[in-house]
Amino acid sequence: GAVVSQHPSWVICKSGTSVKIECRSLDFQATTMFWYRQFPKQSLMLMATSNEGSKATYEQGVEKDKFLINHASLTLSTLTVTSAHPEDSSFYICSAREAGQNQPQHFGDGTRLSIL
Amino acid sequence: SQQGEEDPQALSIQEGENATMNCSYKTSINNLQWYRQNSGRGLVHLILIRSNEREKHSGRLRVTLDTSKKSSSLLITASRAADTASYFCATVSTPYGNNRLAFGKGNQVVVIP
Repeated sequence: GAVVSQHPSWVICKSGTSVKIECRSLDFQATTMFWYRQFPKQSLMLMATSNEGSKATYEQGVEKDKFLINHASLTLSTLTVTSAHPEDSSFYICSAREAGQNQPQHFGDGTRLSIL
Repeated sequence: SQQGEEDPQALSIQEGENATMNCSYKTSINNLQWYRQNSGRGLVHLILIRSNEREKHSGRLRVTLDTSKKSSSLLITASRAADTASYFCATVSTPYGNNRLAFGKGNQVVVIP
């Protein structure tokens, strides 16, 4: 159980393109979803936290107009990288958790984004 | 500040040996979790230990938590080549809202067949 599906797994696109990444919880209701960014050989950096039906909370230094997050249902959150540039190239990972104390986060397989 | 900081050394061991990793953190926590990440993949949740627990087992994994020292250890017994991965500890702390995880730097483990 507790499967999180993230698509696409790999995106290569031109500079200026907007890219949407989807994160779905397949067998549980995700009241909270998280979006992370990871650089090579580094740890995960939290970008934003989203609760179903409300606006996302962005971490300091993350541009909310650049990284649009929508969490419209209990099983789907999307991250849109708007007008992507080469410096946005990275590995993006989502996670989801159920409500309640001491619930772990379940992670998607990540999306490798390469902007040319 | 960075929560959940593992010892920075990479670990290379022979198959069958035990692998031990440590993690320290700075503030009070609700729980501490260990995750595994294979290269280029997402994270897999391994085990969660609550702040009122001292030790927990799951298969070949053993996690300890010492809240007085603000540290945790992950032991993998009888390691296998498939255990080769990066291992992260992460904490959920009372000062943070929304059950956010604070990840450590990760510990690369290589198990040689």
